[in-house]
Amino acid sequence: DGGITQSPKYLFRKEGQNVTLSCEQNLNHDAMYWYRQDPGQGLRLIYYSQIVNDFQKGDIAEGYSVSREKKESFPLTVTSAQKNPTAFYLCASGTGDHGTEAFFGQGTRLTVV
Amino acid sequence: AQSVAQPEDQVNVAEGNPLTVKCTYSVSGNPYLFWYVQYPNRGLQFLLKYITGDNLVKGSYGFEAEFNKSQTSFHLKKPSALVSDSALYFCAVRDDGNTGKLIFGQGTTLQVKP
Repeated sequence: DGGITQSPKYLFRKEGQNVTLSCEQNLNHDAMYWYRQDPGQGLRLIYYSQIVNDFQKGDIAEGYSVSREKKESFPLTVTSAQKNPTAFYLCASGTGDHGTEAFFGQGTRLTVV
Repeated sequence: AQSVAQPEDQVNVAEGNPLTVKCTYSVSGNPYLFWYVQYPNRGLQFLLKYITGDNLVKGSYGFEAEFNKSQTSFHLKKPSALVSDSALYFCAVRDDGNTGKLIFGQGTTLQVKP
């Protein structure tokens, strides 16, 4: 069953902690993306990767880090430097071609407690 | 810079009536346009896309979209709305670099009432 899987679905973080969100895809896609969703603001790009062992900052990368050691995996770490991490995080993958759509995971809702 | 605007935060329509969710875009080259739908606490599902060719694009669940180059619009339409169509809809444009990034509008909540 092909797709993109995010885990966990819900995550609670204490102030000052780092947390890592998992994103795995078995679609053989080269490109992977992390977006943050806040109410009324649409989706904003955090990081993206077009190929293994390479990634680029998106529009709101401060306080986040990523790695791309395997084609199928693109974990996102929300560090303690991220001042307002409570949000819904969406991972996506795609071929990178202009005419093809991206596929999204089901999201992780992160809450700071 | 590429951008997408969805001018309506919410659209309300009665079940059985036609619906339109508006989207306008700004691109420097050829537009590659997409519509996605999101149900509460879920990821985005792809509905349809415009790459080239016919200005009327048909997609999933009976949705279609009309590309209008002169008005730089890509409005989402459905001839007869269902209550189950109630969701958050996003318009997106592909970034004109080689990154494959999608640039999203703010989203429009569609409320279909029985």
